Amino acid sequence: DTGVSQNPRHKITKRGQNVTFRCDPISEHNRLYWYRQTLGQGPEFLTYFQNEAQLEKSRLLSDRFSAERPKGSFSTLEIQRTEQGDSAMYLCASSLTAGQGTLCTFGSGTRLTVV
Amino acid sequence: KQEVTQIPAALSVPEGENLVLNCSFTDSAIYNLQWFRQDPGKGLTSLLLIQSSQREQTSGRLNASLDKSSGRSTLYIAASQPGDSATYLCAVRRPETSGSRLTFGEGTQLTVNP
Repeated sequence: DTGVSQNPRHKITKRGQNVTFRCDPISEHNRLYWYRQTLGQGPEFLTYFQNEAQLEKSRLLSDRFSAERPKGSFSTLEIQRTEQGDSAMYLCASSLTAGQGTLCTFGSGTRLTVV
Repeated sequence: KQEVTQIPAALSVPEGENLVLNCSFTDSAIYNLQWFRQDPGKGLTSLLLIQSSQREQTSGRLNASLDKSSGRSTLYIAASQPGDSATYLCAVRRPETSGSRLTFGEGTQLTVNP
């Protein structure tokens, strides 16, 4: 297992277009998280899944954003009608549910630039 | 609402110096605390995790402590090297009963000069 994988690494899109990002978590991890990070800030929570169920969504996740994890494995994050303010690094992470010692492992992120 | 603050925001030190990065959080009801490293334009690499019942964790030249009652954690880096230059982020994890999101600080940008 090579860790959490995110694709694409970079995406440049025109304002108003739709974009979709993919995250492949560590295979045995049942939890998957999406975070957004803007320049000079720490990551901010967007949403998380336990298996295929989306259990929590941040208020940051406007109705233009949708996330899915259809079979409890990989996840996609779609942004519709992109705006310049959506430009950020989108980070995916995964973990197991059990134990305080459970690490949250992050992928390398997808950097989105909306022009 | 949990808030996490990291001080200093930036730090520049000569190679070989020992240094301390600080992290404070407002709600002591945490599940665990993780320290991450982030290189420019890259994802996060986990450095250390301290469970809420623990006081410290060590890995190589890194030592992290946790004082949950006062809402503080420190990351100690011994004998710093230019390769340690990066942004260091701390994040606290909410208890399982309150969801399990991580709340991050804004990070400390460390530069180690040769």
